[in-house]
Amino acid sequence: GENVEQHPSTLSVQEGDSAVIKCTYSDSASNYFPWYKQELGKRPQLIIDIRSNVGEKKDQRIAVTLNKTAKHFSLHITETQPEDSAVYFCAASSGAGGTSYGKLTFGQGTILTVHP
Amino acid sequence: DADVTQTPRNRITKTGKRIMLECSQTKGHDRMYWYRQDPGLGLRLIYYSFDVKDINKGEISDGYSVSRQAQAKFSLSLESAIPNQTALYFCATSGDSEGFFGPGTRLTVL
Repeated sequence: GENVEQHPSTLSVQEGDSAVIKCTYSDSASNYFPWYKQELGKRPQLIIDIRSNVGEKKDQRIAVTLNKTAKHFSLHITETQPEDSAVYFCAASSGAGGTSYGKLTFGQGTILTVHP
Repeated sequence: DADVTQTPRNRITKTGKRIMLECSQTKGHDRMYWYRQDPGLGLRLIYYSFDVKDINKGEISDGYSVSRQAQAKFSLSLESAIPNQTALYFCATSGDSEGFFGPGTRLTVL
């Protein structure tokens, strides 16, 4: 089955700096890569996703890059703010039934702390 | 997201007890999932269902069972709870794109 490794497990940055979280996956059939943000005591919520036919996707201060050859993908947050502090999870899915979304395999999570 | 609800939100039970966690969704999604979250381990898939007649084991299904009573309802049972099943449990649904999580159920087994 799929295995997703996420690094680092904790990341501390100063407000305004950039943060990068990296994930690798094992199943070359994986074709959908979402990133979730989980604030303390809350449910994970999707912040950005990328599909295997795209190398990069950006949404305001966050971006995701995908290298299918190396089987790794990364989350980039620029101009970090204290409210970005949370746990971030990457995930990978190989899809099912002809659609791009199947069961997700999650990374272990990264605790991001942004210091004012 | 009020479209995916879980009951109960918190539960304390004793070793050996049977317990059921329930999930309901109003999104009209066919696919539903149960995940378990433990510190440092991320979210691990317990069971998933792609439609009412389809039930599949995830990576950590031992000690758990599920029932898909309807498109909108997916329940998780612990037949005989043990302390290492203490965790935060999330139900999720998906259509053709992103997944939506319920608010979670915090289960403590004493």
